[in-house]
Amino acid sequence: KAGVTQTPRYLIKTRGQQVTLSCSPISGHRSVSWYQQTPGQGLQFLFEYFSETQRNKGNFPGRFSGRQFSNSRSEMNVSTLELGDSALYLCASSLDGYNQPQHFGDGTRLSIL
Amino acid sequence: EDQVTQSPEALRLQEGESSSLNCSYTVSGLRGLFWYRQDPGKGPEFLFTLYSAGEEKEKERLKATLTKKESFLHITAPKPEDSATYLCAVQAPFTGNQFYFGTGTSLTVIP
Repeated sequence: KAGVTQTPRYLIKTRGQQVTLSCSPISGHRSVSWYQQTPGQGLQFLFEYFSETQRNKGNFPGRFSGRQFSNSRSEMNVSTLELGDSALYLCASSLDGYNQPQHFGDGTRLSIL
Repeated sequence: EDQVTQSPEALRLQEGESSSLNCSYTVSGLRGLFWYRQDPGKGPEFLFTLYSAGEEKEKERLKATLTKKESFLHITAPKPEDSATYLCAVQAPFTGNQFYFGTGTSLTVIP
């Protein structure tokens, strides 16, 4: 059974640009969550999507947005990139998001120059 | 206010030297407590889910336990391949069931 797949694995951007990250969940999983991981802050919750709807949102500015498609695949977009956006962005999926473990991809390492 | 606190931040053990990692939480109405292992350059790998106080789960050299305010991950006779960062997370209903992660314990097992 294939795990969570995130693309690309690495990205280098400059300040002011925008970026789109992609996540393919485990087959049959309908809940997809996104996290930002930095050495100082640990995993910070960005948002969760279920059945193409944003069901939950963390405390990040509006520059961070996402969407989910009918096949449960999800994308995350960050506009007007800032140096502080450099991080590992992780996607996690679960069956329906309740009382179940989330399964993570290996992330996209985003570096802002 | 931190929902999840893990201690210690870092732990160095000799191979075979057993120890425990702690995860304390302040959320009420816990839906589940989850333990993960994360290797450098990888995403977190799921280890255990605990749902109620008194529950225990085991896998190889790892055993997770849960009380009303904290969880322990016991590592028995660790090997160098157990070196990783161990994360715990809690899921609570009051914020839409989102997961709150601790900042992890970095474990190094020395041969």
